Amino acid sequence: QVQLQESGPGLVKPSETLSLTCTVSGGSVTSDYWSWIRQPPGKGLEWIGYMSYSGNTNPNPSLMSRLTISVDTSKNQFSLKLSSVTTADTAVYYCARTVVTYNEYYYYYMDVWGKGTTVTVSS
Amino acid sequence: DIQMTQSPSSLSASVGDRVTITCRASRGISNYLNWYQHKPGKAPKLLIYAASSLQSGVPSRFSGGGSGTDFTLTISSLQPEDFATYHCQQSYSTFYTFGQGTKLEIK
Repeated sequence: QVQLQESGPGLVKPSETLSLTCTVSGGSVTSDYWSWIRQPPGKGLEWIGYMSYSGNTNPNPSLMSRLTISVDTSKNQFSLKLSSVTTADTAVYYCARTVVTYNEYYYYYMDVWGKGTTVTVSS
Repeated sequence: DIQMTQSPSSLSASVGDRVTITCRASRGISNYLNWYQHKPGKAPKLLIYAASSLQSGVPSRFSGGGSGTDFTLTISSLQPEDFATYHCQQSYSTFYTFGQGTKLEIK
């Protein structure tokens, strides 16, 4: 059974780069797509983007200029880097596996999630 | 962006009740709609994909419906473990968006 675990600093200073890693166990990053989602305090979920190991990416347009998602097949991990952070980037960050099912059309959904990690942007 | 609006934002119900949560898209999304259950401190859990397909392992008391702009998640008989926050999410656009969530509480 695939399990995901987020890791990274819980505190980041404004204007710096937020870096998180998601470790995949029970499965391989060489299949499917790998996503990041966040939830700011008191708000709903916000999709950040996904990437496949082959380099196929789909970022949130509002974050695209600051966002890097990468996949490390040697460590079976994928990572998020968000540059020039502000207090608006304070959130619980989740990693998830995005899968595709074909039934006349292609359906994408996130079927396995990590428990999330809290990141606070503050000086 | 496709805006997703859930109603109600919160709901109080009792064990055994039938509950329906609604999700409305700002424009038609066919059946590209997923539902997730989220409990504090836990990983969100996929319940329904493609509007009405039950994810493997999810109890049959959960069901989804709708197409176009209006969707529902129904729990036929609430169990104690169902008290959580529920989120809808569209995958019609490559820019995925979520509803604001519906918090289901014990009455």
